[in-house]
Amino acid sequence: ETGVTQTPRHLVMGMTNKKSLKCEQHLGHNAMYWYKQSAKKPLELMFVYNFKEQTENNSVPSRFSPECPNSSHLFLHLHTLQPEDSALYLCASSQDTSDYEQYFGPGTRLTVT
Amino acid sequence: AQSVTQPDIHITVSEGASLELRCNYSYGATPYLFWYVQSPGQGLQLLLKYFSGDTLVQGIKGFEAEFKRSQSSFNLRKPSVHWSDAAEYFCAVGVFNDYKLSFGAGTTVTVRA
Repeated sequence: ETGVTQTPRHLVMGMTNKKSLKCEQHLGHNAMYWYKQSAKKPLELMFVYNFKEQTENNSVPSRFSPECPNSSHLFLHLHTLQPEDSALYLCASSQDTSDYEQYFGPGTRLTVT
Repeated sequence: AQSVTQPDIHITVSEGASLELRCNYSYGATPYLFWYVQSPGQGLQLLLKYFSGDTLVQGIKGFEAEFKRSQSSFNLRKPSVHWSDAAEYFCAVGVFNDYKLSFGAGTTVTVRA
């Protein structure tokens, strides 16, 4: 595997479910990011980790919970989501947060029913 | 805070014709500027970036962009589009000492035969 991978690629969940999104980067980077992409809206930065430390929580509701066990892996734990949380969730990485060049994964298409 | 505007939501262009996508930003100092492309079902791929120096920047896939400070613009161009250029294009702005990128809402490009 190369680059940034995300699993699953598609996820349908009910509002009472608990699920997790996974991101893995094979680039040796130290910063990882979660973005939310909704149709025809700018990407919204959700969380940032730099050297496994969370450096940004962009006023994200607590029903989204990130986890970064090491510099290569990033998770987004989901629980009691709302239909408006349906979106494409993108993971990205960069060398560290002083590096502006971010590499993106293919995203997880989340549908909340 | 900086902001990014992509005035064109959707552009249709014939294969072989030229393409220009507009991007305007709002920021007091010289920003760092990026263009990303997102093909269907894929994550964002960096096409090119501008940090300083020559205001005409060459990128991958035959794309180029020109930074015009007086117009606060960073328009993307390609002289002759291919069917594979059909995708969504995002302009992004970063500022010195702040890793967060601000993205535009995107321009969808359709290529007709």
